[in-house]
Amino acid sequence: GNSVTQMEGPVTLSEEAFLTINCTYTATGYPSLFWYVQYPGEGLQLLLKATKADDKGSNKGFEATYRKETTSFHLEKGSVQVSDSAVYFCALSDRGGSQGNLIFGKGTKLSVKP
Amino acid sequence: DTEVTQTPKHLVMGMTNKKSLKCEQHMGHRAMYWYKQKAKKPPELMFVYSYEKLSINESVPSRFSPECPNSSLLNLHLHALQPEDSALYLCASSQDVREDGRSTDTQYFGPGTRLTVL
Repeated sequence: GNSVTQMEGPVTLSEEAFLTINCTYTATGYPSLFWYVQYPGEGLQLLLKATKADDKGSNKGFEATYRKETTSFHLEKGSVQVSDSAVYFCALSDRGGSQGNLIFGKGTKLSVKP
Repeated sequence: DTEVTQTPKHLVMGMTNKKSLKCEQHMGHRAMYWYKQKAKKPPELMFVYSYEKLSINESVPSRFSPECPNSSLLNLHLHALQPEDSALYLCASSQDVREDGRSTDTQYFGPGTRLTVL
């Protein structure tokens, strides 16, 4: 079945450090890929998405590229801020498969220190 | 505008109470979802409504009863809950959905209702 694996946290960085959160997926169809962010005490916000191979999603300085050859969708940011502290979820939606709905990774907690 | 609203923000209830959670979206989305999220876990799908009809029930206990009064509103009625039902309940919506209720599109989430069952 379809699945998402993302690096387990917590990840602790200093302000202005480079961020990478790894995400790999298994899917039988042609999934869309998403990163959602959840700030403390809040719901999920869509951070970025990509719907086909080689697409790059970007938002608020975050980027992720849909790599079909490595089945990956790693999240990157060049310079993190304290306000980026949150839990980040990688997810896929398999449009052609039997599961179809969002499949989430377990989440990665990011803490950014001043 | 990609806003999904949920009320109340917090809810505390006893095991004999009856309460309802409400969700609203005005984006013209045809699919709406209820998720349950326990601490430090990803959201778990509970129900999917597509075109105002229940299309997916992920084996949720009958003490949770969803309702979709119209295309913009989604309710979750709660009765005789257990303490282990305490969680963050998230509503989401998406523009389109397959005939079998599976999502084909980006889901937008509300802020959630933090439920505590005493």
